[in-house]
Amino acid sequence: EVQLVESGGGLVQPGGSLRLSCAASGFTFSSYEMNWVRQAPGKGLEWVSYISSSGSTIYYADSVKGRFTISRDNAKNSLYLQMNSLRAEDTAVYYCAREFHGDYYFDYWGQGTLVTVSS
Amino acid sequence: EIVLTQSPGTLSLSPGERATLSCRASQSVSSSYLAWYQQKPGQAPRLLIYGASSRATGIPDRFSGSGSGTDFTLTISRLEPEDFAVYYCQQSRYTFGQGTKLEIK
Repeated sequence: EVQLVESGGGLVQPGGSLRLSCAASGFTFSSYEMNWVRQAPGKGLEWVSYISSSGSTIYYADSVKGRFTISRDNAKNSLYLQMNSLRAEDTAVYYCAREFHGDYYFDYWGQGTLVTVSS
Repeated sequence: EIVLTQSPGTLSLSPGERATLSCRASQSVSSSYLAWYQQKPGQAPRLLIYGASSRATGIPDRFSGSGSGTDFTLTISRLEPEDFAVYYCQQSRYTFGQGTKLEIK
């Protein structure tokens, strides 16, 4: 059974940092591209970042470029999102999502982890 | 930048009725990369449709997708109580529509 489990969310002050993790199981993690998607309270879905299966190709939304860093450790079946210089508008539930073999849609999602940026 | 506009914002229907949800792109997009998701309160999104018209694994056949170019449709033929949720379209990984809330009338 495919499972994605996010962790690392919490309350952080503006300008602070947080590192999210996504533990994957039930599939060959190293064969799949992965993404982070976020959802602000009561709002819609916003794609945040993409990483290829090997980690060699990375993309970011303009809203997080220069502040967030996506990475993965295929030996540990884990995906990460390092978030720096956090702003109030980064407050959201952050989901990791598996991309189906580069076809641009997400076939499995984690349950999400809440990040709250507030003083 | 392609923008996806979903309509209506809220759709009020009764169980057993047919639901038609629209997703319009600001410019022509490949139907191969058009997907639909369902999200219930407190849950992660669930993939329903990919490639504009292919049902994901385990999705009931009352859900169908169609369309091409700039206009795409998600149809639920006969609404079941568990279908009332928010639905999002997505194009090419990066762009989501703003969502349509399907509520019980």
